[in-house]
Amino acid sequence: GENVEQHPSTLSVQEGDSAVIKCTYSDSASNYFPWYKQELGKRPQLIIDIRSNVGEKKDQRIAVTLNKTAKHFSLHITETQPEDSAVYFCALYFSGGYNKLIFGAGTRLAVHP
Amino acid sequence: KAGVTQTPRYLIKTRGQQVTLSCSPISGHRSVSWYQQTPGQGLQFLFEYFSETQRNKGNFPGRFSGRQFSNSRSEMNVSTLELGDSALYLCASSPSLAGVQETQYFGPGTRLLVL
Repeated sequence: GENVEQHPSTLSVQEGDSAVIKCTYSDSASNYFPWYKQELGKRPQLIIDIRSNVGEKKDQRIAVTLNKTAKHFSLHITETQPEDSAVYFCALYFSGGYNKLIFGAGTRLAVHP
Repeated sequence: KAGVTQTPRYLIKTRGQQVTLSCSPISGHRSVSWYQQTPGQGLQFLFEYFSETQRNKGNFPGRFSGRQFSNSRSEMNVSTLELGDSALYLCASSPSLAGVQETQYFGPGTRLLVL
């Protein structure tokens, strides 16, 4: 069905710590898993994505891992900085239609100096 | 390339009125999707248009409608506005290559307040 569970809903870390956000899903047809960052009052912006033919992808301090068998994917942010504070959304494509992104409920990340 | 643009950025309406929002996709992108964002329900899919045709529709009442023009620009319309329609309405565009699940790029949104 159309459901993505995202945890935790809020996350508070100290600057320099790591942050991990996890999403689980039930619809196995998606082969594309993007993560978006939304700062207050701004549009969601893609920060990293992964396709189902790879298990991990890294881009500087950000990485995403995907376990298609267990149906979960995670966002990892290392050496967090105050500017990482935002709401992060995971998403995937619903198998029932083109370009119909289903979003997780979001994780509000606060990085304290 | 210029990003996705939306107009107007802010709108205040009263219950019972109707509203039309506009979205211009990134040049060359043929698919436009619309999403409603509220604190309580998060980001929810409204509908998607490709080549002037609605390909997908979310679970919203018939008061929500849209269309796409030959230049890929899209509009959405909400009739008989209700207080619960207050939200940030986001559109997103993608190239829509056949058979490929792609990145969607979001516009800045239109914030609608219904009084």
